[in-house]
Amino acid sequence: NAGVTQTPKFQVLKTGQSMTLQCAQDMNHEYMSWYRQDPGMGLRLIHYSVGAGITDQGEVPNGYNVSRSTTEDFPLRLLSAAPSQTSVYFCASSYSDGPRDEQYFGPGTRLTVT
Amino acid sequence: GNSVTQMEGPVTLSEEAFLTINCTYTATGYPSLFWYVQYPGEGLQLLLKATKADDKGSNKGFEATYRKETTSFHLEKGSVQVSDSAVYFCALMRKTSYDKVIFGPGTSLSVIP
Repeated sequence: NAGVTQTPKFQVLKTGQSMTLQCAQDMNHEYMSWYRQDPGMGLRLIHYSVGAGITDQGEVPNGYNVSRSTTEDFPLRLLSAAPSQTSVYFCASSYSDGPRDEQYFGPGTRLTVT
Repeated sequence: GNSVTQMEGPVTLSEEAFLTINCTYTATGYPSLFWYVQYPGEGLQLLLKATKADDKGSNKGFEATYRKETTSFHLEKGSVQVSDSAVYFCALMRKTSYDKVIFGPGTSLSVIP
């Protein structure tokens, strides 16, 4: 049971490039989400999904796309990278949407956009 | 709107010292409250939680009590260890909206021998 996995661990992009951050979970969780972590700002929700085929925007969705074709995978796409997207990105999953259900986080992807 | 405020630190303590990390929140209704911990180079892990007023969450020697009258959820530990060095995040979740998990800015704790 690997939990939540993310690839890559580190990435450097040039402004304007696109890329996909991968996230997968093997716990059969319905709910998955992407956060970005910036110094002094905690974690902010980018996009989330309540099940395969269903996604919605979080607090800071601009510049990012997501899709959920399977229960296991929830990739995050950066369409045209900007320096403001330099951050640490975390994927998380949980069994359901109740407050009693713990979110499980991946180890993070550290992205630098130059 | 909903928000979480916590002391940002960094906090440096000697081993076996008493720890308090303050957390206060602003929210409509009655949110659930959480403390997450992030060890160096890792993702966040749930440390403890409380889902209603006066509940006490506890885990690994850490405790926090949901105080509705003061809108607080302070994290405490009686005797910290070097292995407790990490960043601690207070968070709230509205009971009706999965997308409304609000995290505080995090408090960095360093415990020195």
